[in-house]
Amino acid sequence: QKEVEQNSGPLSVPEGAIASLNCTYSDRGSQSFFWYRQYSGKSPELIMFIYSNGDKEDGRFTAQLNKASQYVSLLIRDSQPSDSATYLCAVGGGADGLTFGKGTHLIIQP
Amino acid sequence: SQTIHQWPATLVQPVGSPLSLECTVEGTSNPNLYWYRQAAGRGLQLLFYSVGIGQISSEVPQNLSASRPQDRQFILSSKKLLLSDSGFYLCAWSVLDRDLDEQFFGPGTRLTVL
Repeated sequence: QKEVEQNSGPLSVPEGAIASLNCTYSDRGSQSFFWYRQYSGKSPELIMFIYSNGDKEDGRFTAQLNKASQYVSLLIRDSQPSDSATYLCAVGGGADGLTFGKGTHLIIQP
Repeated sequence: SQTIHQWPATLVQPVGSPLSLECTVEGTSNPNLYWYRQAAGRGLQLLFYSVGIGQISSEVPQNLSASRPQDRQFILSSKKLLLSDSGFYLCAWSVLDRDLDEQFFGPGTRLTVL
């Protein structure tokens, strides 16, 4: 059974600092990796995806993938209070859906 | 652009009553469609997925069922709800490409079974 592990938090980060969110996965054959942001009471919103080892940057967000270590991370630079949310790591590899972690609750302190 | 709709947004139902949740997608053809449930403290659980009309795969044995009567319509049903069916039900779509399989979620239906 595929598993995705995340620290549930809360992770508290001062405004303007870098927030670092981490995720490990069990299925070595996984091919695609996603980060979703979910505000309280709302549905998840896709913010980053990564398929290859290394870093992928999009604005203030950087996703990092290390397939050898089965590890995915998300860095948020210049953290803003609006970044406060739960961040879900998801792992996929086909039409049969994604496997999600339980999410990390991030709090950006003004 | 693609849009995904779900209704109703919220629902309160008694134990033993039937359920029907609907999801429709606009702006794309032949999407893969998914039903997830998010229960408090338990994360997102994949319930059903469909790669085409009338094709349903179930991930978890339960008292729920799904149907796909049209290309862009996905329905989640139950004949008799249980207390444990309470949760946030999310429909998602994706277009399976050789390189891309991102999923996009609808706004969700919050179901409370009393």
